[in-house]
Amino acid sequence: SQKIEQNSEALNIQEGKTATLTCNYTNYSPAYLQWYRQDPGRGPVFLLLIRENEKEKRKERLKVTFDTTLKQSLFHITASQPADSATYLCAPLSRNQGGKLIFGQGTELSVKP
Amino acid sequence: EPEVTQTPSHQVTQMGQEVILRCVPISNHLYFYWYRQILGQKVEFLVSFYNNEISEKSEIFDDQFSVERPDGSNFTLKIRSTKLEDSAMYFCASSGSNYGYTFGSGTRLTVV
Repeated sequence: SQKIEQNSEALNIQEGKTATLTCNYTNYSPAYLQWYRQDPGRGPVFLLLIRENEKEKRKERLKVTFDTTLKQSLFHITASQPADSATYLCAPLSRNQGGKLIFGQGTELSVKP
Repeated sequence: EPEVTQTPSHQVTQMGQEVILRCVPISNHLYFYWYRQILGQKVEFLVSFYNNEISEKSEIFDDQFSVERPDGSNFTLKIRSTKLEDSAMYFCASSGSNYGYTFGSGTRLTVV
């Protein structure tokens, strides 16, 4: 069955450093991979989408890579700030999935001042 | 920026009672979804809705659950006879054609 794995342990980093979060998937051939941010008690917020034919995508301080050979996506936040503290979710999406997003369990990021 | 609106933000109900959770998706979106998140667990897919019918549903979405788009703007999730294990955050989401989904802030359902 399809499986999505994200760093299960919380990631604690110092303000100003780069945070790197990992998303690995198995039994999947996603055409797209999405990253979301979730704050406690709130709904996920869409951040970035990367397509299978794109190696890298950037948006302001965010960078996502997508390696379909390794079946892995990396999500980077550069110059991290305490306001970046949240849980980050990845969601690979296959063409035959009918738009149904399946989320990983998320990685909790804590940025200390 | 357009938002998905959910009401109520918190609902407490007795076990066995019916609840209706309401959502107003983004007006030009065509695809609508319900997800739930049990405390401390991951966000789980319940159902997707397109062209006025269910396009896919998960194992969780059994006969106790139903969805409706009664008037072209609202999108509702009904749970007919609530169980303790239905206690969770329920999120409505909508999407257009660009595959970025917009989620609402959720309804916290507490079954007592």
